[in-house]
Amino acid sequence: KAGVTQTPRYLIKTRGQQVTLSCSPISGHRSVSWYQQTPGQGLQFLFEYFSETQRNKGNFPGRFSGRQFSNSRSEMNVSTLELGDSALYLCASSLLGQGIAGNTIYFGEGSWLTVV
Amino acid sequence: GENVEQHPSTLSVQEGDSAVIKCTYSDSASNYFPWYKQELGKGPQLIIDIRSNVGEKKDQRIAVTLNKTAKHFSLHITETQPEDSAVYFCAASDRNDYKLSFGAGTTVTVRA
Repeated sequence: KAGVTQTPRYLIKTRGQQVTLSCSPISGHRSVSWYQQTPGQGLQFLFEYFSETQRNKGNFPGRFSGRQFSNSRSEMNVSTLELGDSALYLCASSLLGQGIAGNTIYFGEGSWLTVV
Repeated sequence: GENVEQHPSTLSVQEGDSAVIKCTYSDSASNYFPWYKQELGKGPQLIIDIRSNVGEKKDQRIAVTLNKTAKHFSLHITETQPEDSAVYFCAASDRNDYKLSFGAGTTVTVRA
C-alpha cells in the first residue's frame, strides 16, 4: 500500500513568487490536512480538506490556500512568498479526518521550501 | 481553541535508561491523545495513542498515561535504544471540531 506522496521534495523560490505543492493521499483516504513545520513553531495546522470541501482552517493569512480534487489529491498554494514562509510543509491523510479517536493520520515526508 | 504544551523541549538520556515527556492540554472536551515520532528527514509517524476513557496504555517499551482531571498526559519510553533518538510530538483533539493540536515537540537523544 503506497504511503502519502508529496512533490516536490525540495524547492527554492524567490521572495514575491508563488509556489504550489502537491499531495497524493493513501488510496481510499478522503481527508487531507496540511501543516507547516518550522524549528521554533513545531507543527502548525494550515487546513483540512474532506471530499473536496475545506472542513477546517488554521490561523494563516490568505496567501495560503488549498484545494482538493475528486480523486482526493490535494494542492496547497502560497502566493507572494515571504522569507518567513521557509519551512517544511507536511501533508497528512486519513480515512475520516484528523482528530478522530482511532482514526490514524499518516504523514508524507514533506516538501522543503526555502525562500530567498 | 485547544492549547497543548509539551516539556521538555530537549531530553538526553543514557542508553538503557527511561525517558518521560509530559504534555498538558487546555480543552476539557478533548478525548483523543496521539503521540508521534519524527525521525530525521521523515514525516511524523504515530507510535501510540490513548482515548479519554482509558488511563494508561502500553505497547512494548512505550506507554502513555492520561490524567483527565489534571489535563495532562505523558509518554514513557523504557530501556531506551539509539533508534529512539528522534523528535516526539504529543497532540490532543476535540471530536467536535475535528482538529488535532500538536505540542512543540521534544528532541530525544539517546547516548550510547
